[in-house]
Amino acid sequence: DAGVTQSPTHLIKTRGQQVTLRCSPKSGHDTVSWYQQALGQGPQFIFQYYEEEERQRGNFPDRFSGHQFPNYSSELNVNALLLGDSALYLCASSFSRTGVGYTFGSGTRLTVV
Amino acid sequence: GQSLEQPSEVTAVEGAIVQINCTYQTSGFYGLSWYQQHDGGAPTFLSYNGLDGLEETGRFSSFLSRSDSYGYLLLQELQMKDSASYFCANSGGYQKVTFGTGTKLQVIP
Repeated sequence: DAGVTQSPTHLIKTRGQQVTLRCSPKSGHDTVSWYQQALGQGPQFIFQYYEEEERQRGNFPDRFSGHQFPNYSSELNVNALLLGDSALYLCASSFSRTGVGYTFGSGTRLTVV
Repeated sequence: GQSLEQPSEVTAVEGAIVQINCTYQTSGFYGLSWYQQHDGGAPTFLSYNGLDGLEETGRFSSFLSRSDSYGYLLLQELQMKDSASYFCANSGGYQKVTFGTGTKLQVIP
């Protein structure tokens, strides 16, 4: 049973560019939540997708946007990259928006130079 | 918004018992989860307390006291592989999951 798969694992982008990160949830899960984790800190909630709609959003600017596809996979898009966007981006999946027992992917390490 | 505070670092000896505390704001609190994250790895779910009291899962136990806005994770018979960061999180229902500041546990021989 495959867990959560994220791609790519590492990415280097230039300030001002745009980036797309991808996530395939665990089999049987229909909800995807995205988190940003800076070094030495806890994951910060970006947004959650369920039934192809953004259901909840954290304190992130509109430069951060996402999408969920009919197969429950999801994308995170970040426009106009800033140096401060450098972080580990984690995808977590769950069933029916439950907030207990998330399954996380290994993340995408984004470096903005 | 919801915030959860943890000690930043804890050091304990292999074979010993260690307790990692978590205090939270009561506004918006639903239940308390615990996650483990090794360096470079994904957070993995350890336990959940929806009600006050103790939950035991093998060597790990978790406790919640809503009246004190406080919880803890207890790790017994520490092993070197338990060296990792541990996060408490406000979770449950349909709300977003908010993570604490994290505690880096170092297990020494």
